[in-house]
Amino acid sequence: QKEVEQDPGPLSVPEGAIVSLNCTYSNSAFQYFMWYRQYSRKGPELLMYTYSSGNKEDGRFTAQVDKSSKYISLFIRDSQPSDSATYLCAMSEITGGGNKLTFGTGTQLKVEL
Amino acid sequence: ETGVTQSPTHLIKTRGQQVTLRCSSQSGHNTVSWYQQALGQGPQFIFQYYREEENGRGNFPPRFSGLQFPNYSSELNVNALELDDSALYLCASSPRQGLNTEAFFGQGTRLTVV
Repeated sequence: QKEVEQDPGPLSVPEGAIVSLNCTYSNSAFQYFMWYRQYSRKGPELLMYTYSSGNKEDGRFTAQVDKSSKYISLFIRDSQPSDSATYLCAMSEITGGGNKLTFGTGTQLKVEL
Repeated sequence: ETGVTQSPTHLIKTRGQQVTLRCSSQSGHNTVSWYQQALGQGPQFIFQYYREEENGRGNFPPRFSGLQFPNYSSELNVNALELDDSALYLCASSPRQGLNTEAFFGQGTRLTVV
């Protein structure tokens, strides 16, 4: 079983829709949670990160963490065609050094006109 | 733009050869991590360098090695290339060790092994 599970999609939605992207994890030691956006043939771009359970909002994006259920989500409001990309969740433990990010497989999102 | 630059952008190598990939970290960042991203997969952690020392390694064989230089730039070396090494190799820099909330990725080097 993978430490981080993410539905690979693809997910296709109409412009203006609310998008919900989700990841589950099994490692209780994960403390930092991040969402990256990756356009085709590009490196991942950090969208949001959060540490505690609850919601964090940034413009059209809301990150939600439920540590008790080991479940994180990213919501995109008023989705735009420019949001079409692969969305990767990533997680990290707090250790003395050599922290690594553990990624999900990514969800491919297409926002159609 | 993240300020993390990688070279080359694309590379084709033959099985058994050796390859060196390079990364210039963002100004002020002293920690560099390398990841391998196979097609349709999420990035997998290879290793991390902090102040020129390897500081954490993922599940990759010893033929994957690296260096970090005094200016915090970094190299990833892969010996005895195998077909399965074909992937996008990503470099990420962070402003301080152990805090990955600010890890910024470069564009990656796409390696094809034939």
